[in-house]
Amino acid sequence: SQQGEEDPQALSIQEGENATMNCSYKTSINNLQWYRQNSGRGLVHLILIRSNEREKHSGRLRVTLDTSKKSSSLLITASRAADTASYFCATDGGFRGLSFGAGTTVTVRA
Amino acid sequence: EAGVAQSPRYKIIEKRQSVAFWCNPISGHATLYWYQQILGQGPKLLIQFQNNGVVDDSQLPKDRFSAERLKGVDSTLKIQPAKLEDSAVYLCASSTPTGSGNEQFFGPGTRLTVL
Repeated sequence: SQQGEEDPQALSIQEGENATMNCSYKTSINNLQWYRQNSGRGLVHLILIRSNEREKHSGRLRVTLDTSKKSSSLLITASRAADTASYFCATDGGFRGLSFGAGTTVTVRA
Repeated sequence: EAGVAQSPRYKIIEKRQSVAFWCNPISGHATLYWYQQILGQGPKLLIQFQNNGVVDDSQLPKDRFSAERLKGVDSTLKIQPAKLEDSAVYLCASSTPTGSGNEQFFGPGTRLTVL
């Protein structure tokens, strides 16, 4: 079963704008990860945030984690056309594979 | 560093036929995963190997799916017989435990269409 749920399901923004997507999950986690999937391609790891961390940055990406609310958010700043993709949150419970949400489809308009 | 390799990239079969997918993980990665991604959904874990042993296959439909990882390197996933609902992209991923967590590296996937 899929643990994470992303919101919104789809997002359309203008190039240069920021994109924010949220992820909620149900059970305790060791860490939470965000992946990107371009059309017809495999998943690429973007960022990992551990359960004892609240915020993490990587380039134009900012991830927050609130374990009390079992939620995370991914912010992409100054979006580019190349950011057009589906974004998935995935929870890592420790010894098993990742549990992915259904994803947020982001379209960046030129 | 070479990435995760998968073949074939595409496969079309008729229902009740059998099919096999192959995966070669990143060199040195002890953990290998097979995921199924149905169109419009996120990947779902089918099976996880640690070296050549199965760690988790709780979501693998064992009446028709099987997987092996001989010698702890390459892996094959087989479906026999295939059903229409097996149409999906099958993703292979590998990882090695690090201090920063369980980052997984994914292959390009095999897109299976069952007619």
